[in-house]
Amino acid sequence: DVKVTQSSRYLVKRTGEKVFLECVQDMDHENMFWYRQDPGLGLRLIYFSYDVKMKEKGDIPEGYSVSREKKERFSLILESASTNQTSMYLCASGGGGSPLHFGNGTRLTVT
Amino acid sequence: AQSVTQPDIHITVSEGASLELRCNYSYGATPYLFWYVQSPGQGLQLLLKYFSGDTLVQGIKGFEAEFKRSQSSFNLRKPSVHWSDAAEYFCAVGSPWEGYQKVTFGTGTKLQVIP
Repeated sequence: DVKVTQSSRYLVKRTGEKVFLECVQDMDHENMFWYRQDPGLGLRLIYFSYDVKMKEKGDIPEGYSVSREKKERFSLILESASTNQTSMYLCASGGGGSPLHFGNGTRLTVT
Repeated sequence: AQSVTQPDIHITVSEGASLELRCNYSYGATPYLFWYVQSPGQGLQLLLKYFSGDTLVQGIKGFEAEFKRSQSSFNLRKPSVHWSDAAEYFCAVGSPWEGYQKVTFGTGTKLQVIP
């Protein structure tokens, strides 16, 4: 079974802090994704990566960056957290015609 | 750009009743289509997918979906709903133009099941 693991279920950070969200997958997928989920807005793609060190902007990349130094790990970085980045963040791997496999999400609160 | 519309934000059905969740997509070609379910506090789980071939697709937990090209729809159905089906359901489309790498999700339909 594919496993996508997000390092934290809940995070509370202060405005202006640099925040790292980590995601690891164990199925050797080339593609990895970061989504943000907000009530009434569904899932919105922040960034995705189709290979190590390769990344593409999604629909809402502003205020975020990503890092993929190893195939199994995809990090989402909030350079300077703001209250409007309070949200549920979902990592996924797969795609490319195959279904996405999701982690359980990280609920981030920025105060 | 591709888009997915789930017109029903919230649906309530009685346990044992049939269910149909609507999904329409906007796209110039036949995309890959998916339905995912999200239970509270969890990530998304794939229910079923359509890539090509038979337009009626069977999934897990007794769900099925039918692809109708003429209506650009991919509605999810279940003949008899169980209380454990209460969750949020997301329709999603994969883009042929971007190697199917990028998947776009609808805004979700929250299902409530009453006894």
